[in-house]
Amino acid sequence: KNQVEQSPQSLIILEGKNCTLQCNYTVSPFSNLRWYKQDTGRGPVSLTIMTFSENTKSNGRYTATLDADTKQSSLHITASQLSDSASYICVVSDRGSTLGRLYFGRGTQLTVWP
Amino acid sequence: EADIYQTPRYLVIGTGKKITLECSQTMGHDKMYWYQQDPGMELHLIHYSYGVNSTEKGDLSSESTVSRIRTEHFPLTLESARPSHTSQYLCASSERTGPSGYTFGSGTRLTVV
Repeated sequence: KNQVEQSPQSLIILEGKNCTLQCNYTVSPFSNLRWYKQDTGRGPVSLTIMTFSENTKSNGRYTATLDADTKQSSLHITASQLSDSASYICVVSDRGSTLGRLYFGRGTQLTVWP
Repeated sequence: EADIYQTPRYLVIGTGKKITLECSQTMGHDKMYWYQQDPGMELHLIHYSYGVNSTEKGDLSSESTVSRIRTEHFPLTLESARPSHTSQYLCASSERTGPSGYTFGSGTRLTVV
């Protein structure tokens, strides 16, 4: 069964600290993996997208890694800011259909305290 | 910055009413989608479209219907709203080819009382 599991479910850190969010997936055949940031009551906003051949990609203070062999990805946030408080969603796409089916994790709820 | 627009942002409506959630995008994307999301849960695909006059049901059974008469417009309709329809509805669009990212709208928070 194609699934995306994220951990931790929630995380609280102090402003300025770093953190790492985890994503494990069983989606096959794999096409790409995306990390989204979703503020409360808003739609998800794309942070990074990685294909099979990419193992790291950065977007400002966000760095995503991908290990396609172990089917794991991580999102590292450096020098956290209050505005980083949001849900971070891992999304994996398969290439087994023309739709390019997306499988969503439940997200990690990050709270940054001053 | 949004190139995909959803209206209304919030809607509180009585049981039995007919409602239409609007979604429009200005990027010329062929593919459009409707997702349903409950608090703390993953997004579930309820409808999608490959282009004009093309609509398909998604994974999650939904009593809603959609139409795609114009490329940029993908409205979702509930003929008779029920409390079980209370949820957040997210519209998205994507390019036809390549591992491009989706662009999501800001969502409509629907409450049926």
